[in-house]
Amino acid sequence: AQSVTQLGSHVSVSEGALVLLRCNYSSSVPPYLFWYVQYPNQGLQLLLKYTSAATLVKGINGFEAEFKKSETSFHLTKPSAHMSDAAEYFCAVTRGVAGRRALTFGSGTRLQVQP
Amino acid sequence: NAGVTQTPKFQVLKTGQSMTLQCAQDMNHNSMYWYRQDPGMGLRLIYYSASEGTTDKGEVPNGYNVSRLNKREFSLRLESAAPSQTSVYFCASSLGTEPTPRGNTIYFGEGSWLTVV
Repeated sequence: AQSVTQLGSHVSVSEGALVLLRCNYSSSVPPYLFWYVQYPNQGLQLLLKYTSAATLVKGINGFEAEFKKSETSFHLTKPSAHMSDAAEYFCAVTRGVAGRRALTFGSGTRLQVQP
Repeated sequence: NAGVTQTPKFQVLKTGQSMTLQCAQDMNHNSMYWYRQDPGMGLRLIYYSASEGTTDKGEVPNGYNVSRLNKREFSLRLESAAPSQTSVYFCASSLGTEPTPRGNTIYFGEGSWLTVV
């Protein structure tokens, strides 16, 4: 079975500081991994995805994530936090068989950015 | 750009009542999904439809039924609502189910807030 674990339900950083949101996955096969962001009262928006093309993945809004097979991790980072980054972030992995897959989400990490 | 449209946005039901959440996408996507979101639990997959004419159970299908009416529409029905089904429901769609470097991003609707009293 494939699943993801997000460490830390809440993360608080100062504006301009490094953002690090942690995600570890368990998968019996090479996974496809995703990070989504959710702003208040909105649906989810894709930040970036890993589909085995490159281990360092760059996404929107200055975010990036690195796939590390040896650590089974896919942590999300941003060098300098902005107030507009305050949101909830979800790591996700695909599950199911080829041709009939869907995403399984982690429990989410709420990012607060302090001025 | 409409994208994924869900109705209703808000609904209050009494225990035992039934209702259907409607979802439509205008992106000519093959795959559609229903998730529920609860505090501290992320999004959990209820049902999905990889392509028109197919539906599959997700993690939490009990108490729900779905219908892939056509390529555009995927409805979620609560036959006898229970307080445990109080949640925010998200419909989503994608071109296909196989992630690729360039395609098959999943697009989400804005959510439907359902309260069962």
